[in-house]
Order: sequence, then C-alpha cells, then structure tokens
Amino acid sequence: DGGITQSPKYLFRKEGQNVTLSCEQNLNHDAMYWYRQDPGQGLRLIYYSQIVNDFQKGDIAEGYSVSREKKESFPLTVTSAQKNPTAFYLCASGKREGHGTDTQYFGPGTRLTVL
Amino acid sequence: AQSVTQPDIHITVSEGASLELRCNYSYGATPYLFWYVQSPGQGLQLLLKYFSGDTLVQGIKGFEAEFKRSQSSFNLRKPSVHWSDAAEYFCAVGAGSSNTGKLIFGQGTTLQVKP
Repeated sequence: DGGITQSPKYLFRKEGQNVTLSCEQNLNHDAMYWYRQDPGQGLRLIYYSQIVNDFQKGDIAEGYSVSREKKESFPLTVTSAQKNPTAFYLCASGKREGHGTDTQYFGPGTRLTVL
Repeated sequence: AQSVTQPDIHITVSEGASLELRCNYSYGATPYLFWYVQSPGQGLQLLLKYFSGDTLVQGIKGFEAEFKRSQSSFNLRKPSVHWSDAAEYFCAVGAGSSNTGKLIFGQGTTLQVKP
C-alpha cells in the first residue's frame, strides 16, 4: 500500500528532552512537510523540503530541526528549546501539480505530550 | 498575501439534511483549491481539489464543491449528511506564486451531526 506513515502515534517525554518524530512515505513524492496542530489554531507549517538534502523553515520553525537525507524520510526533532511542544504533529508529502502547487497527502499524526 | 477564511467555526446539522461549508480565499492569480477532512485524532484526508476547468468539482464520500471566481469562494456541499460525516473540515489554497508547493489552510469548520 502506498502512503505516509508516522510513528509513534503517541509519544510522551519529559521536559528538557529532545525527541524525534518519524515520517516515511512511499509515494515517490519529492516534497514533504511538517505541521503542528493545536486546538482552535488550524495547521501551522514548521518545516518543508522540496528535494532531498534541502529544506526550508516554515512559519514556526523555532525549537525544531529536520533532516532530509532520503527521499522517503523526513524526521522532525523537537528540541528542548521549543517552549510549548505538546501538540499534534502532522507530516505530509506533496505531489507537484504545476504552477508551483502541491497536492498534499497526510500521515495519521503523532500526538506528543511533554510532562 | 494569500489567505483562506472559513467563516463558520462550528456547524450543526441533522442527519439527512443538506450541508454547505463556506470557504473564501484571497489570491491574485488562478487559485488551486482543496478541501480536506479530519476525524478526531487522525490525519487529514483529501476530499477534492480544483485546478481548472469545470467549476463544479466532485469528490469522495459524496461531497462536491463549486468554485466561484466572482465571489472568491469555494464552498463544500453534500446533499444528505450522514452521522459519519461529523469531523473537522479544512479549506486550503495553493500558494503557487511562491513555487514552494505550500498550501495556506483555513482555520477549519467543525461539523456536528444530530441524529
């Protein structure tokens, strides 16, 4: 089955610890995205990558880091510098449709709780 | 700058009734428009998209949307709502002019279905 997987579904960490969220896709899409979702705030873009070995900051990149060493994988690290990391994190891959727009396909999400 | 507005934060309809969710966008060029649905604790699922051509677009699960350029709107409709349609719905516009593949999401509309 083609799709996007995120693991784990639930993640608990102590304050001050770094944590890495996994995102893998087998859709052969060049682009991948990370979003954060908080109640009542919709989706906010953290980082995105249009091609392997390249990525750009989104609207709320502070306290996060990413890597894109393989086309299939785009892990997100939530560092201790992120002031309020408890949230629902969504990964997406993007199929370029033309005119600079991707159709984005989402994974099931990871709920991170920092205690 | 591109933006998306979903005027209704929360909508309640009776099962079997018709549904219309509103979406207004601000975009200088021809927009690429999307509707996604999110069940609680899940990722986003693509319902339908509009790029060009026929302004009435059919999607999955019996949904359709109509692009009206004169009103800068892309409203989502369903003739008869089922209890399983209760979810959060997001409208998005492709930020094509930046050639980044990014989407601009609305804040979402939560649909509640009464039995």
